[in-house]
Amino acid sequence: QLQLQESGPGLLRPSETLSLTCTVSGGSISSSRYYWAWIRQPPGKGLEWVGTIHYSDTYSNPSLKSRVTISVDTSMNQLSLKLSSVTAADSAVYYCARQFMDYYCYYMDVWGKGTTVIVSS
Amino acid sequence: SSELTQDPAVSVALGQTVRITCQGDSLRSYYASWYQQKPGQAPVLVIYDKDKRPSGIPDRFSGSRSGNTASLTITGAQAEDEADYYCNSRHSSGNSHVIFGGGTRLAVL
Repeated sequence: QLQLQESGPGLLRPSETLSLTCTVSGGSISSSRYYWAWIRQPPGKGLEWVGTIHYSDTYSNPSLKSRVTISVDTSMNQLSLKLSSVTAADSAVYYCARQFMDYYCYYMDVWGKGTTVIVSS
Repeated sequence: SSELTQDPAVSVALGQTVRITCQGDSLRSYYASWYQQKPGQAPVLVIYDKDKRPSGIPDRFSGSRSGNTASLTITGAQAEDEADYYCNSRHSSGNSHVIFGGGTRLAVL
């Protein structure tokens, strides 16, 4: 059974770079069928797509694009997210998820439990 | 602002049927998927490809689409269905971006 587990520092100062890792177990991150995504949820708010990666192809939310770097380490079966120049607005629960993409439908079928990130001085 | 529009809150009496809607231009071309999120938990996929249910999702959950509106219907709502529900789809521009609706909080009375 595929499982995803996010990890990373819970507290950051403004202007720092957020670095998160998602460890995939029970399956290979190298599967050609699936993509891998980051989604975040600010406190009390809805879900916001951060970005997606498939091999070396990455896609990012235009509102975050210049600050987001997503990568995959196939040897470690891990997905990572870097978000630069964070502000309080980046405080959120960050989820990684397995994403399915075909022409008509994009969906996330397996999610990690999420990790809370707080940006505060 | 979200490019998929959902009603912020909906309520349903126990055992009755409720429809949660999601509107947006992208839904004319692409299918919606739906997620259930309970407090303190990660979202769970309940409908994908417009009307397909993942393994383990009760058949009281169903999905449909008409024009620019996707709907999630719960037939015979149970107390455990009380949760936030989110829709998502591919962006209407056709690029490989994902969009989410703002979410609907369902209360089961």
